Amino acid sequence: AQTIHQWPVAEIKAVGSPLSLGCTIKGKSSPNLYWYWQATGGTLQQLFYSITVGQVESVVQLNLSASRPKDDQFILSTEKLLLSHSGFYLCAWDWGETLYFGSGTRLTVL
Amino acid sequence: GEQVEQLPSILRVQEGSSASINCSYEDSASNYFPWYKQEPGENPKLIIDIRSNMERKQIQELIVLLDKKAKRFSLHITDTQPGDSAMYFCAASAPGYQNFYFGKGTSLTVIP
Repeated sequence: AQTIHQWPVAEIKAVGSPLSLGCTIKGKSSPNLYWYWQATGGTLQQLFYSITVGQVESVVQLNLSASRPKDDQFILSTEKLLLSHSGFYLCAWDWGETLYFGSGTRLTVL
Repeated sequence: GEQVEQLPSILRVQEGSSASINCSYEDSASNYFPWYKQEPGENPKLIIDIRSNMERKQIQELIVLLDKKAKRFSLHITDTQPGDSAMYFCAASAPGYQNFYFGKGTSLTVIP
């Protein structure tokens, strides 16, 4: 069975500080991977997707970047956090047409 | 990109009654329409989906209807229970595109 692990579970960071969030998927080779962002009470906004190692497509950047250093790993990062980066970050993968979400990282920027 | 409109944004129903959420989309190439349930502090979980070769799908108390001509799809929860209280999101995707477009969500409250 496929499992997706996101880290960290939660972060409290200062404005202007760097950020790195990650997810790892096990049990599926060459998955399509996604990053979504959700403001509190808001909808799910796709940020990036990747269909293979080293290849990342941006949908909405929000002053963030993403990388896929390994087949099973997807990283979201920024060098300088903004207040507007606060929210819930969800890594996801798809099986055929169906999208499955990881447990998410709650980010608070102060 | 695709636009998915979801209504209502807030829905309150009595326990035991039905709840309906409606979504519309713009891109006629969209052919897959999942529904997600998200409880507070949790990740969204797929509860039911429908593909464009179907008009109706039911899983227990969940019914999804798809009207391709009108570009509308809907979720109906029959015999609602307090455990159905959550945020619900509809989404649409098209083949060959790594994009899933979500509606803005419906906050459902089932009143005991």
